[in-house]
Amino acid sequence: ETVMTQSPATLSVSPGERATLSCRASQSVSHNLAWYQQRPGQAPRLLIHSSSTRAAGIPARFSGSGSGTEFTLTISGLQSEDFAVYYCQQYHNWPLYTFGQGTKLEIK
Amino acid sequence: EVLLLESGGGLVQPGGSLRLSCAASGFSFSSYAMNWVRQAPGKGLEWVSGLSGSGGGTSYADSLEGRFTVSRDNSKNTLYLQMDSLRVEDTAVYYCTRKGDYGFDYWGQGTLVSVSS
Repeated sequence: ETVMTQSPATLSVSPGERATLSCRASQSVSHNLAWYQQRPGQAPRLLIHSSSTRAAGIPARFSGSGSGTEFTLTISGLQSEDFAVYYCQQYHNWPLYTFGQGTKLEIK
Repeated sequence: EVLLLESGGGLVQPGGSLRLSCAASGFSFSSYAMNWVRQAPGKGLEWVSGLSGSGGGTSYADSLEGRFTVSRDNSKNTLYLQMDSLRVEDTAVYYCTRKGDYGFDYWGQGTLVSVSS
């Protein structure tokens, strides 16, 4: 099983600033990595797939990078609606998928 | 518009059974693999099970230990999750998700399963 580890568990950033979230895979997942955002009381939504491709309708302030075992989600110019929990997920080892434990992005 | 609507959740005693349903609309259901993902209260996301578009290929998280069965009825555009021998630790919101070309591109709003005596 590929274990996904996210850091930090909680990230405090001021509105308008930049947030950088990390995700590490226990073995290479190539570029087969997605990021999801989950706001309180809502279902998750797909933000990024293929490590760096924004899903339909996702603002350009969200960007992803990385390959193999190290990945990063960057959110520039944080807006109030961006404060949420973010999860990474590998789909390299389909049909077995694994999520990271999540990073909570909170207002500083 | 793609819609996924889960139902069937509720309160069940340990050792009991429950069947979840997910009614899909707005897309060609049989063309997509579908998955179940759960989230225990205050916890993160856990992939549970997946099923190919034809229904011929299934996959499960090791943690389930063979207690759950996923199936689909493409004539009814519906995904199912049969959950047997339920445990307290199965308590969670269960989400139905569509597997797009890359990642899970659509999610339902979830149905809550509570396992308690």
